[in-house]
Amino acid sequence: ILNVEQSPQSLHVQEGDSTNFTCSFPSSNFYALHWYRWETAKSPEALFVMTLNGDEKKKGRISATLNTKEGYSYLYIKGSQPEDSATYLCAPGGAQKLVFGQGTRLTINP
Amino acid sequence: EAGVAQSPRYKIIEKRQSVAFWCNPISGHATLYWYQQILGQGPKLLIQFQNNGVVDDSQLPKDRFSAERLKGVDSTLKIQPAKLEDSAVYLCASRDAGLAQYFGPGTRLLVL
Repeated sequence: ILNVEQSPQSLHVQEGDSTNFTCSFPSSNFYALHWYRWETAKSPEALFVMTLNGDEKKKGRISATLNTKEGYSYLYIKGSQPEDSATYLCAPGGAQKLVFGQGTRLTINP
Repeated sequence: EAGVAQSPRYKIIEKRQSVAFWCNPISGHATLYWYQQILGQGPKLLIQFQNNGVVDDSQLPKDRFSAERLKGVDSTLKIQPAKLEDSAVYLCASRDAGLAQYFGPGTRLLVL
């Protein structure tokens, strides 16, 4: 069973500040790494699917990097807004099965 | 394109009662997943279907949980009898030939 660690578990950031958090996973047998954003009472939303070492993906103010050799991915949010408040989940996995970390709960203070 | 639909959105039951959740995946998605997300933890896969066949149910507590996808489209997950530790969000997700899974809004279950 994959051991997936996300840090920090929770984070409070002032509106307008930038922030980042980490997903660590076993580097052996890597296939893909998924990032999801999950707002309260909504469906988890897919942000990125990353497959290649050194991959960098961007969606608006959110970006992610991937290091498959050392087994980590960073998610960055630039200029945080209240609508960024959510739990961010990472999930490495194969073509069929994902194993989720416990998530980073982000709260943006106005 | 309609997303993954789940019902009910919320359910409160007493321990030892039964409960059922329903999921309708995105049209054309052959793969369907049920996850359990306990507070403070990440979603845990309970069962995966490919069309109407089970691919992986290794983490499904089969003494009390059951799931079916009879016609390869919508699916039901049942708990009978429920325990206090079953309180969680039950998420359904579907996938086509690509890598990304698309999630429904979940059913929040509270067992008293």
